[in-house]
Amino acid sequence: QQQVKQSPQSLIVQKGGISIINCAYENTAFDYFPWYQQFPGKGPALLIAIRPDVSEKKEGRFTISFNKSAKQFSLHIMDSQPGDSATYFCAASRLVTSGSRLTFGEGTQLTVNP
Amino acid sequence: DTEVTQTPKHLVMGMTNKKSLKCEQHMGHRAMYWYKQKAKKPPELMFVYSYEKLSINESVPSRFSPECPNSSLLNLHLHALQPEDSALYLCASSQPTRRATGELFFGEGSRLTVL
Repeated sequence: QQQVKQSPQSLIVQKGGISIINCAYENTAFDYFPWYQQFPGKGPALLIAIRPDVSEKKEGRFTISFNKSAKQFSLHIMDSQPGDSATYFCAASRLVTSGSRLTFGEGTQLTVNP
Repeated sequence: DTEVTQTPKHLVMGMTNKKSLKCEQHMGHRAMYWYKQKAKKPPELMFVYSYEKLSINESVPSRFSPECPNSSLLNLHLHALQPEDSALYLCASSQPTRRATGELFFGEGSRLTVL
């Protein structure tokens, strides 16, 4: 019930291409779906997030698509750049009074070749 | 630059040592978290403090002891650790739920090696 499944494990794209990472969840009580970006030696940083009442959210080159009935969401990175090379984690949480309890996917290592 | 500051950045300790990891934030957040991250794995939640009270303990062994002295500080006391406890320990903070966007702000982590 608490799992978030992420694919692919690794992804290689050419500069200017589109990177697509997919996640699926089981717990319908989740109400917040963020994507975190992590560079080597750094902590994760929030990239973009969505709530289940919208189907798409776009911020610059990054778009989340959300399919509530299928319990799936995905991250699209348009015009991928070598600086986007990092590990991406999808996550899901149910905001409770004690804080935000994130369940992370296993991560996708993205490499963007110049 | 991250607004969650963790010290030390690197720590090497023996199995009989006692050490502490420290975390500080000045964003006025009232929820603070400890996560553990192994190489090529996602962060795993260990503890959550909400309004300086421990609200979540994810069945973490007692050799890890958290402490929240005030709303800006979070410590993780380490004692009698095992080599398998070697990992990156991440601190994070967020607004509590009533005003929350849900965003967690992570520090850069403390890299712990247990010999």
